[in-house]
Amino acid sequence: KQEVTQIPAALSVPEGENLVLNCSFTDSAIYNLQWFRQDPGKGLTSLLLIQSSQREQTSGRLNASLDKSSGRSTLYIAASQPGDSATYLCAVHNAGNMLTFGGGTRLMVKP
Amino acid sequence: DADVTQTPRNRITKTGKRIMLECSQTKGHDRMYWYRQDPGLGLRLIYYSFDVKDINKGEISDGYSVSRQAQAKFSLSLESAIPNQTALYFCATSEGRLAGSYNEQFFGPGTRLTVL
Repeated sequence: KQEVTQIPAALSVPEGENLVLNCSFTDSAIYNLQWFRQDPGKGLTSLLLIQSSQREQTSGRLNASLDKSSGRSTLYIAASQPGDSATYLCAVHNAGNMLTFGGGTRLMVKP
Repeated sequence: DADVTQTPRNRITKTGKRIMLECSQTKGHDRMYWYRQDPGLGLRLIYYSFDVKDINKGEISDGYSVSRQAQAKFSLSLESAIPNQTALYFCATSEGRLAGSYNEQFFGPGTRLTVL
């Protein structure tokens, strides 16, 4: 059974810092990996989808990498802003396009 | 207007009541999903549907049923609600009718359900 772990569970940084969020998964036979953002009491917003054949994907200040063989993905946020404060979730696409989610990293960016 | 909508957004009910949560989408996607989110447990898949005639159980389907009324509508029912079904429920959609296609999933705003 696929298990997805995100470290750290919570992170607090001053505005302007570059930061890295980590995601690891136990079964490397994944199809895609997707990063989401969730604001308190809100739904999930898709940030990036990395296809299994890709190594990384970029969108604005966000860069996500994928290393299937080691079962890891990282989400890099450049020049963090208070508006980036949210919970970040990674999810792997398994057979049948079912997602297995990590527990999330709660990010606080202080002005 | 939101592409994936859920109704109601909040619901408080009592043990033993029947509850239906509804999801509608305007993205034209074939696939729809229901998840629940619990603190400390993350999101878990309840049911999913690849098209109107295709319904599949997910990881935690016991105590739930679903209906895919049309391509755009997917409802989740709790036939007899119990307190441990208190959670945040999300509907999601993705493209790809063909088996083996794995596409980005898009989520609705969620329904917060409390069972007393």
